[in-house]
Amino acid sequence: QQQVKQSPQSLIVQKGGISIINCAYENTAFDYFPWYQQFPGKGPALLIAIRPDVSEKKEGRFTISFNKSAKQFSLHIMDSQPGDSATYFCAAPYSSNTGKLIFGQGTTLQVKP
Amino acid sequence: EPEVTQTPSHQVTQMGQEVILRCVPISNHLYFYWYRQILGQKVEFLVSFYNNEISEKSEIFDDQFSVERPDGSNFTLKIRSTKLEDSAMYFCASIYGLAPGEETQYFGPGTRLLVL
Repeated sequence: QQQVKQSPQSLIVQKGGISIINCAYENTAFDYFPWYQQFPGKGPALLIAIRPDVSEKKEGRFTISFNKSAKQFSLHIMDSQPGDSATYFCAAPYSSNTGKLIFGQGTTLQVKP
Repeated sequence: EPEVTQTPSHQVTQMGQEVILRCVPISNHLYFYWYRQILGQKVEFLVSFYNNEISEKSEIFDDQFSVERPDGSNFTLKIRSTKLEDSAMYFCASIYGLAPGEETQYFGPGTRLLVL
């Protein structure tokens, strides 16, 4: 089955707080798990991605944690800022021949000043 | 930095009309995709295209849809007879390859299609 379950659907965090978004996937074609950030009226932009030869990847304030046995990965945004307010999508590849991505439902993050 | 471009940014059409959405993928990329996003919902895969042919399509991509790469730069999505439910944001994406390090999909800014 090709499905990516993402939670929560929406999240409100105070400035400086930690935002955590979770995703669970089925059996993917290969191990590559990106997070995309989308602002209203714009296309999804790659935020950070992990290839699970590591269990964690950090880029600035953004960290992906990966649990292969549980088939879960999560995005942590440290020191959340109002400019981080956006919709976040996790995705997983479900075809080794085409690379198509199946996206989660999205999480709308609002960071309050 | 290279980017995927799409035109038009907005398209309003009458039900039953044909529309063509255009994309210029990143120049050295080899795999191309169309996705759509109905307002407030998730991004859904429509079709992938490689080596001048469709490599995979979703159940959404029925006979009303077609894709083409008419020249070395453009990648188009045609909807022959639009329906109200085709109203959505359509995104083009491209990647260089499927090997580790090549698989990042770059998305265009989208075309907002409104069918009346």
